[in-house]
Amino acid sequence: EAGVAQSPRYKIIEKRQSVAFWCNPISGHATLYWYQQILGQGPKLLIQFQNNGVVDDSQLPKDRFSAERLKGVDSTLKIQPAKLEDSAVYLCASSPYVPGTEAFFGQGTRLTVV
Amino acid sequence: RKEVEQDPGPFNVPEGATVAFNCTYSNSASQSFFWYRQDCRKEPKLLMSVYSSGNEDGRFTAQLNRASQYISLLIRDSKLSDSATYLCVVNYGGSQGNLIFGKGTKLSVKP
Repeated sequence: EAGVAQSPRYKIIEKRQSVAFWCNPISGHATLYWYQQILGQGPKLLIQFQNNGVVDDSQLPKDRFSAERLKGVDSTLKIQPAKLEDSAVYLCASSPYVPGTEAFFGQGTRLTVV
Repeated sequence: RKEVEQDPGPFNVPEGATVAFNCTYSNSASQSFFWYRQDCRKEPKLLMSVYSSGNEDGRFTAQLNRASQYISLLIRDSKLSDSATYLCVVNYGGSQGNLIFGKGTKLSVKP
């Protein structure tokens, strides 16, 4: 069974530029998460989708971050404009719509803002 | 508030040692609990779910104390391959609840 796919794996941009990350969850998984993981810290939830609807985006910096999940499958996360403190690994995870189940993670996109 | 607090570590232990990690959470309505393992520069992967009755998987034992809002992970007979960061994860809010991660505890097992 294919896992969660993310691209690109690595991205280096200058501050104030924009960047987009893509995620393809495991087939059939209704829930999709985007997490930000800064070096030395645990993953921080940015946004959670249930199918194509947003369940929680309370920690998403909406002045610069946006995310969408068209058709309830693939998702993109965008940062515009990027700041130095956005340097982190952006992890996408998915889980089935079954209460209490774990999430499965992609390999992440490592973003460096210079 | 949705908070998950863990021992910061790092824990440096010799092979064969027993080590315990602790975690507390802030929302008494939380329903599901997990321990994830994350190797350096890799994504988190599920180690085990945590059940109210406690559960064991080989050398790993997880315990949940709902009254104290406390979760623990015990690793017996540590192996070099156990070296990783262990993340405590709590599902807040029912069927559409968020998975909230602690900051992780780093374990280093030495020969």
